[in-house]
Amino acid sequence: TQLLEQSPQFLSIQEGENLTVYCNSSSVFSSLQWYRQEPGEGPVLLVTVVTGGEVKKLKRLTFQFGDARKDSSLHITAAQPGDTGLYLCAGNRGSEKLVFGKGTKLTVNP
Amino acid sequence: GAVVSQHPSWVICKSGTSVKIECRSLDFQATTMFWYRQFPKQSLMLMATSNEGSKATYEQGVEKDKFLINHASLTLSTLTVTSAHPEDSSFYICSAKPDSSTDTQYFGPGTRLTVL
Repeated sequence: TQLLEQSPQFLSIQEGENLTVYCNSSSVFSSLQWYRQEPGEGPVLLVTVVTGGEVKKLKRLTFQFGDARKDSSLHITAAQPGDTGLYLCAGNRGSEKLVFGKGTKLTVNP
Repeated sequence: GAVVSQHPSWVICKSGTSVKIECRSLDFQATTMFWYRQFPKQSLMLMATSNEGSKATYEQGVEKDKFLINHASLTLSTLTVTSAHPEDSSFYICSAKPDSSTDTQYFGPGTRLTVL
């Protein structure tokens, strides 16, 4: 069973549209990270959330950590082609190891 | 800040040879680094946790004699794929956790290994 369920797995939208990616679990995480990865490159850290209910904004990206620290969401406003990539959520459960979701492959068409 | 480099970025080798991949934290110290493997269109799979000054901790199913890890300093970990075979062809990515950080890991750009 996948500890972190990401949805949707694939998302293809037009430039200017909004979207939300979800990362859900039945387990509690001490923190959760969101990464963006482009083909042939390593994941790039977007944000770390640690407090239940926390909301962080990074330009057009809004990240939220659930009150119970079991889930998180990433909302992108007015998506642009440059947002295209694989979005990965990853969480810590008290150890140093990260648990990864399977990722959401986002394509933003011009 | 928090930059991690990997070398080489890609390598092609013959079956039976060994390949060494380096992972460096450029602007921070990292007692703990991690090695991942990523298959096409899939998420990252943790192979092992590399600890400076001690033996690496391998995940279940990862052969420690095949994937040798050495964490020689607080800024360098190496992964050596010994007697490589075509099935070892993959994208290998390292990450490093700053000693000042509790959870966040920073990833290298990855190394594409192709074994002929």
